[in-house]
Amino acid sequence: LAKTTQPISMDSYEGQEVNITCSHNNIATNDYITWYQQFPSQGPRFIIQGYKTKVTNEVASLFIPADRKSSTLSLPRVSLSDTAVYYCLVGASYGQNFVFGPGTRLSVLP
Amino acid sequence: GAGVSQSPSNKVTEKGKDVELRCDPISGHTALYWYRQSLGQGLEFLIYFQGNSAPDKSGLPSDRFSAERTGGSVSTLTIQRTQQEDSAVYLCASSLARSGAYEQYFGPGTRLTVT
Repeated sequence: LAKTTQPISMDSYEGQEVNITCSHNNIATNDYITWYQQFPSQGPRFIIQGYKTKVTNEVASLFIPADRKSSTLSLPRVSLSDTAVYYCLVGASYGQNFVFGPGTRLSVLP
Repeated sequence: GAGVSQSPSNKVTEKGKDVELRCDPISGHTALYWYRQSLGQGLEFLIYFQGNSAPDKSGLPSDRFSAERTGGSVSTLTIQRTQQEDSAVYLCASSLARSGAYEQYFGPGTRLTVT
């Protein structure tokens, strides 16, 4: 199971773009990269998932370089409501994404 | 449609008592997971069910913890002889069981406090 490393915390201001990078040096060929968001007193919520290159949805973009040893979650024009903990997970199938690290605590300031 | 539900939302119990926590996954989801989250910490995997296969219990912290999944749907996590260190939020998640891309859907959690 690939280990992930991400910053413990980040601060940003409303309207800015936020990029959170996750390192996963020993990612396996079949592994996907998944990001979750967690608000206080709630369970995590799926944000985005990708395998390679770039994925974009209505919430975020995920950039994955060719070597796949890292990934960057990009949140465009954050608002106060984006203050949350963001988790990066790497795994190959429904049974493997067990390891949620401490995540990145994003604080969006007015 | 209905999401993952958990009950109770809060549970306060005395040290040494047994507790049962319930999870109702999304209909049709054959994979079900239990996690534990202590205050300010990440999620700790406890146990995973997939269909009729034997569950992966590798994350259970002690033999005081057990879980069942009846009929491939509802799951119950039981903690016997609770200790203060068991105090945490217990989260349940379910997903479609397919390889490759998938996502876990989480319930709101049960906050367990052992006094």
